[in-house]
Amino acid sequence: DTGVSQNPRHKITKRGQNVTFRCDPISEHNRLYWYRQTLGQGPEFLTYFQNEAQLEKSRLLSDRFSAERPKGSFSTLEIQRTEQGDSAMYLCASSRLLRQALHSPLHFGNGTRLTVT
Amino acid sequence: SQELEQSPQSLIVQEGKNLTINCTSSKTLYGLYWYKQKYGEGLIFLMMLQKGGEEKSHEKITAKLDEKKQQSSLHITASQPSHAGIYLCGADHGRSQGAQKLVFGQGTRLTINP
Repeated sequence: DTGVSQNPRHKITKRGQNVTFRCDPISEHNRLYWYRQTLGQGPEFLTYFQNEAQLEKSRLLSDRFSAERPKGSFSTLEIQRTEQGDSAMYLCASSRLLRQALHSPLHFGNGTRLTVT
Repeated sequence: SQELEQSPQSLIVQEGKNLTINCTSSKTLYGLYWYKQKYGEGLIFLMMLQKGGEEKSHEKITAKLDEKKQQSSLHITASQPSHAGIYLCGADHGRSQGAQKLVFGQGTRLTINP
């Protein structure tokens, strides 16, 4: 168990640029989640995948945001035309579905801190 | 409005003292999760509570969920510098049909003074 890995750890970009983050979940975990956390607040749910299927997206996820998990393993989160309000920590988490309605706790990565200037 | 309220927002205690952090929901909790976060890092899972009246302990940390499943507390006994960090409670309100779409409180920042 090597844990959830996120890259890069930090990203500084200029407003209007596109950015992409990567998340590698724990290998046997079939669920993958993206959360966003701003300073002084708890994480907020953005979207989640079960295997390669994106099953739910939050209203927080505007059309500038897109997430993929093409082979049911790693995932990418892309933000197009970044805005200063996108500055936040983007956290990835994964979990394993044990059986119907019973799942392991979320295991979080160390996040990617995005700063939009 | 916050669906999950944590109190206090920050806490400073002397090393060796006991402390309690509370997490209150206006809705019934189907699952309550406690996490710890160091500044600038990810969340570390501490404990999960699902049944009313449930209590779990790990080392010097004890978490409880009340019978009505709307309030949880995290208690640390004989606090140590390693306990410093931000403690977050996350709730599964049962609307996500099996998905673990957690709603988090705003966190409690714990400082341990030597």
